[in-house]
Amino acid sequence: SQQGEEDPQALSIQEGENATMNCSYKTSINNLQWYRQNSGRGLVHLILIRSNEREKHSGRLRVTLDTSKKSSSLLITASRAADTASYFCATGGTSYGKLTFGQGTILTVHP
Amino acid sequence: GAVVSQHPSWVICKSGTSVKIECRSLDFQATTMFWYRQFPKQSLMLMATSNEGSKATYEQGVEKDKFLINHASLTLSTLTVTSAHPEDSSFYICSANPGTRSTDTQYFGPGTRLTVL
Repeated sequence: SQQGEEDPQALSIQEGENATMNCSYKTSINNLQWYRQNSGRGLVHLILIRSNEREKHSGRLRVTLDTSKKSSSLLITASRAADTASYFCATGGTSYGKLTFGQGTILTVHP
Repeated sequence: GAVVSQHPSWVICKSGTSVKIECRSLDFQATTMFWYRQFPKQSLMLMATSNEGSKATYEQGVEKDKFLINHASLTLSTLTVTSAHPEDSSFYICSANPGTRSTDTQYFGPGTRLTVL
């Protein structure tokens, strides 16, 4: 079953603006990961944050994790048209490798 | 990074036929692979965990006799959709993990789009 919920479902911004996507989950997790999917393609791993971490950076990406609120956010700074894609959060529990995906946020960056 | 391939990338078949989808880890060995399906504009739903040398573990609600999984080697898992029907039309994606810890990154294949007429 899907345990992650993401908001917004769709986000439309201009190039250069920042994009923030949120993810909430229901059960205890081992880690939380963010993935990107271009239309009709496979998933690309963006960043993984462990349950004992609170913030992580990778290039223009910043991820936060609040286990007390069971929520995470993904911030993309200085967005580009090429960032247009669907973004999914996925939680990993104690079962090796199994991921539970959120509903995703469709991000559109207008040039 | 680790590469996972899928074949075919798309397939169209007639209702009632069976379709086999391959998932390969190209530069690492994976004792465990995962199969997901994704309907248009929806998220990924885990179907089953493919275990090398043993039976697959299916998620609740997934028919094991309809979706046959074979993990014959450390680099290959196959998903066979048997007696396919139009409602089986979907995007099927596999993933594999080169590590042994649950915190390791999953690497996803490019997906296979199945259309059943």
